[in-house]
Amino acid sequence: EPEVTQTPSHQVTQMGQEVILRCVPISNHLYFYWYRQILGQKVEFLVSFYNNEISEKSEIFDDQFSVERPDGSNFTLKIRSTKLEDSAMYFCASLYRLGVTDTQYFGPGTRLTVL
Amino acid sequence: DAKTTQPNSMESNEEEPVHLPCNHSTISGTDYIHWYRQLPSQGPEYVIHGLTSNVNNRMASLAIAEDRKSSTLILHRATLRDAAVYYCILDYNNNDMRFGAGTRLTVKP
Repeated sequence: EPEVTQTPSHQVTQMGQEVILRCVPISNHLYFYWYRQILGQKVEFLVSFYNNEISEKSEIFDDQFSVERPDGSNFTLKIRSTKLEDSAMYFCASLYRLGVTDTQYFGPGTRLTVL
Repeated sequence: DAKTTQPNSMESNEEEPVHLPCNHSTISGTDYIHWYRQLPSQGPEYVIHGLTSNVNNRMASLAIAEDRKSSTLILHRATLRDAAVYYCILDYNNNDMRFGAGTRLTVKP
């Protein structure tokens, strides 16, 4: 069965550094998402992306965050200057099309630790 | 955003049915009821969804109240592998899924 993959599985960085989290969505999917989950808390929506544009974003997704689909396969989340509170699991998800005949498929996550 | 209310935690014995409730009294007419679950150290995974009628798939059943203000996810025979956090989410087009705290299901052998 096709799956969403994410790299790295664990990223450790120093506060103030830039990080890029990578995701490879399912190949024929058209909608892409990033979520985060701070340890012990709920999964929070960050951003959705379609047709090379952000379609929705939450209040968490401020100017420090950006997303890109640099080629036909990767979908990336960049955090420009990491803060301690950015430490979390970051999940990528993809969806073939909007509507309820399809579902979002989530990757296994990248654990980001900011020191 | 339409909100859902779920118990924080539930316990079940292995091989027994589990009924996980969700209240959504402010659901709109176009909202579908989605259930996802998150196994330990994994990303969320889809379980089931429905609009008005009860739904069955290989993983679970979804029973939806006639007024749509509540629903119940039914696992017919819980296994140890079903131990997870179960999320009930309302959304009309599957786009920006807003997760709540969910119900942590513990399955006892």
